[in-house]
Amino acid sequence: ILNVEQSPQSLHVQEGDSTNFTCSFPSSNFYALHWYRWETAKSPEALFVMTLNGDEKKKGRISATLNTKEGYSYLYIKGSQPEDSATYLCAFIQGAQKLVFGQGTRLTINP
Amino acid sequence: DTEVTQTPKHLVMGMTNKKSLKCEQHMGHRAMYWYKQKAKKPPELMFVYSYEKLSINESVPSRFSPECPNSSLLNLHLHALQPEDSALYLCASSQGTAFGELFFGEGSRLTVL
Repeated sequence: ILNVEQSPQSLHVQEGDSTNFTCSFPSSNFYALHWYRWETAKSPEALFVMTLNGDEKKKGRISATLNTKEGYSYLYIKGSQPEDSATYLCAFIQGAQKLVFGQGTRLTINP
Repeated sequence: DTEVTQTPKHLVMGMTNKKSLKCEQHMGHRAMYWYKQKAKKPPELMFVYSYEKLSINESVPSRFSPECPNSSLLNLHLHALQPEDSALYLCASSQGTAFGELFFGEGSRLTVL
C-alpha cells in the first residue's frame, strides 16, 4: 500500500489570512490526485482532480498545484473565511478504481 | 440530482444482530464504493462495484457483505460484527473509474455494542 501524507495535520488561521498545506504522494506510476473538502456532519466534496504535472486549478479563493515528478501538491486558500473551516483531504489513485486518502489537514478559521 | 443518499444515518447494533446499510444515487454513475473511516484516520477503501459487479474487495472480513442490486443501489450487509467495527461508513459513486471525482454520501455512523 502506498502512503499519502498530508501536512500539517491541523492549522488555525485568522480570518482574512491566506494559508496553504501539502499533500505528498509516491511519484512513480502517477495517474491522478484528488482534493476534497469535508465539513463536519456533511459529505466530502470534491474540489479538484489533477492529472498533469504542472497543473494549476482554481475554484474561487482556493487553488491547487501539482508536481508529479517530486510527488507533491499544494492547496492554497486566499483570504480565509469562517466557511473555509473543514478537513481537506487529498487522495492518490492507486489502480483504476482505488483512491487512497491522506489523513487530512483540519483547518480552523478564527474570526 | 448530484446526491448520494445513505441510510440510516446512525445505527447501533449488538454483536449477534444482522443489519444493512443502504446507499442510493441517481446520477447514472456506474462505479460505487464503500469506505470505512475511524476517528482521526483517513477513509479506507472496502469494496468497489463497477457496472454492478464487485471489482475490488480490500480483504474485508466476511462479516461485511456488499450487494449491488442495480446500478443505483449499493447495500452493505452486516452480521456478527465486533466492537472494533464501529466507524463511519461512507458510500461514494463515480461515473466510471476513480480518475473522475467521487461523490460521497454523508455516511452511516455505526456503533457495535
